[in-house]
Amino acid sequence: RKEVEQDPGPFNVPEGATVAFNCTYSNSASQSFFWYRQDCRKEPKLLMSVYSSGNEDGRFTAQLNRASQYISLLIRDSKLSDSATYLCVSGAGNMLTFGGGTRLMVKP
Amino acid sequence: DAGVIQSPRHEVTEMGQEVTLRCKPISGHNSLFWYRQTMMRGLELLIYFNNNVPIDDSGMPEDRFSAKMPNASFSTLKIQPSEPRDSAVYFCASTGHYTGELFFGEGSRLTVL
Repeated sequence: RKEVEQDPGPFNVPEGATVAFNCTYSNSASQSFFWYRQDCRKEPKLLMSVYSSGNEDGRFTAQLNRASQYISLLIRDSKLSDSATYLCVSGAGNMLTFGGGTRLMVKP
Repeated sequence: DAGVIQSPRHEVTEMGQEVTLRCKPISGHNSLFWYRQTMMRGLELLIYFNNNVPIDDSGMPEDRFSAKMPNASFSTLKIQPSEPRDSAVYFCASTGHYTGELFFGEGSRLTVL
């Protein structure tokens, strides 16, 4: 079993739709959580950190459920430019473990 | 500001050849990571350095792989001898005093024939 598991997708959604991604992590010692975004043939880049209280950055909302070891990302009013792979990440200290990614394709 | 710089961007080589990948982290960052990404296995951590010292190399696949960080501004990942199953994109990333954000280079795409 992978330490961080995600549905690989792809999720095909129309512009303006709301889409949610989930992931689970198995390392109960994980202390930090993130969502990274990776465009095709590019490097991963930090999208946002995930806090226990939940946090929002514009159209993006991240939630963490420590009891269930579950992380989510909600994207509202999706744009064509949101098309990418979203990587769920759990960390212990400086050691970050990446999920396999969920691919999102936003269509006109 | 310069980001993490990796070279070469692309390399095609034949099985059995030695491959050396290079990385220059962001100036001032004290942690450096080598990751490998394939379609089948996703992004896997190979080795992690802190203050130029290898901290965790449990992800290094086997003895054919070695990594060094002789100083704060340079690291190498070497594969000798290379095999077709080593074909992947190899990313180097760095971070400063723990912020949780890794800064990745553009990657080195390796194809072993």
